[in-house]
Amino acid sequence: DGGITQSPKYLFRKEGQNVTLSCEQNLNHDAMYWYRQDPGQGLRLIYYSQIVNDFQKGDIAEGYSVSREKKESFPLTVTSAQKNPTAFYLCASSLQTGSYEQYFGPGTRLTVT
Amino acid sequence: GESVGLHLPTLSVQEGDNSIINCAYSNSASDYFIWYKQESGKGPQFIIDIRSNMDKRQGQRVTVLLNKTVKHLSLQIAATQPGDSAVYFCAERGYEKLTFGTGTRLTIIP
Repeated sequence: DGGITQSPKYLFRKEGQNVTLSCEQNLNHDAMYWYRQDPGQGLRLIYYSQIVNDFQKGDIAEGYSVSREKKESFPLTVTSAQKNPTAFYLCASSLQTGSYEQYFGPGTRLTVT
Repeated sequence: GESVGLHLPTLSVQEGDNSIINCAYSNSASDYFIWYKQESGKGPQFIIDIRSNMDKRQGQRVTVLLNKTVKHLSLQIAATQPGDSAVYFCAERGYEKLTFGTGTRLTIIP
């Protein structure tokens, strides 16, 4: 999947627990993104990062947090404040935020009960 | 014959026929558009792109058409195969990010 790995593929958590989703890329891309996908819907941007130690909120950042301590890694934490965390989460990267093409990872399906 | 989707969420096409998937975009200032293919349980994969100064671009078995007057984008897939079954998304590039459409599910009938 274009040099982007996400783990695990399936994740189950109890309500009230924070959970961290992993995203690693070996494409030497500066920009990384997190999207959420719900059944029958398109991708919605959660957070994105243009460069190490910098990130911006996307359209639906509430209840999520990220860090970008290394160029290769952009983990996403789904906190207990996120009201509807069950979804398919996709990580992507691109050469720069203005670059045309984003490469996507295989996704993590999170189920919170 | 051909099946034309008019912003429908699903499209069924006979194997070997041509498919046309449509997309309406919202931002007239968008300068770049991409089509992605997403198979079940996987991340989206790039298919083809087009800049706003073009009307048409062709790839292998795929063609993208852009009509800026009505803010409409279409993806044509020639001689559809079973492996073309997937959800297809269009995306438009805005400031620092892409905005995705809701997608169209293409089903190939054997």
